[in-house]
Amino acid sequence: DADVTQTPRNRITKTGKRIMLECSQTKGHDRMYWYRQDPGLGLRLIYYSFDVKDINKGEISDGYSVSRQAQAKFSLSLESAIPNQTALYFCATSGTGLVAFFGQGTRLTVV
Amino acid sequence: GENVEQHPSTLSVQEGDSAVIKCTYSDSASNYFPWYKQELGKRPQLIIDIRSNVGEKKDQRIAVTLNKTAKHFSLHITETQPEDSAVYFCAAKETDKLIFGTGTRLQVFP
Repeated sequence: DADVTQTPRNRITKTGKRIMLECSQTKGHDRMYWYRQDPGLGLRLIYYSFDVKDINKGEISDGYSVSRQAQAKFSLSLESAIPNQTALYFCATSGTGLVAFFGQGTRLTVV
Repeated sequence: GENVEQHPSTLSVQEGDSAVIKCTYSDSASNYFPWYKQELGKRPQLIIDIRSNVGEKKDQRIAVTLNKTAKHFSLHITETQPEDSAVYFCAAKETDKLIFGTGTRLQVFP
């Protein structure tokens, strides 16, 4: 079944550590996105990519970086994690119709 | 850039009653407005969407209305059931990405 897969599903890390969240998809979509979900703040866009050579900042890109390793893979990195980056992170993909398909989410806790 | 506001943040209704969630957007160029449902512990999933060339769209018990002049759109759920309990997000298209509202937690009491 074509899907969007995120790893890890849960992660606890210490302040100052580098961490990478990975996303892979089998939907054949060109467009991939990273969102962050916080209670009361909804889903906020961190970065997005329309193909391997295209990377764009979203609403809240500070403190994050991304890598589009292939059409099907899009990784999000926190270079030096801080506690206010504790959140639920979602990867999403879409085709030209813009219907977004989300991964299962990664719950990240920075202590 | 696009700004999407969503109200209310929480909504409690009795089973069988209707629920309405409202969103406003700022960019008059936006032309695509989806609604996503997120059940507890699950990923958001599309439940209905509307494009700016129509004013209303229905799918069984759910409907979405769009007022382009006022720049607002609404989700209507009729005959609510306990399984409708979830967080609902509206969104608006800005160029080639979606900007989401802050979400509405709907609770349906039996």
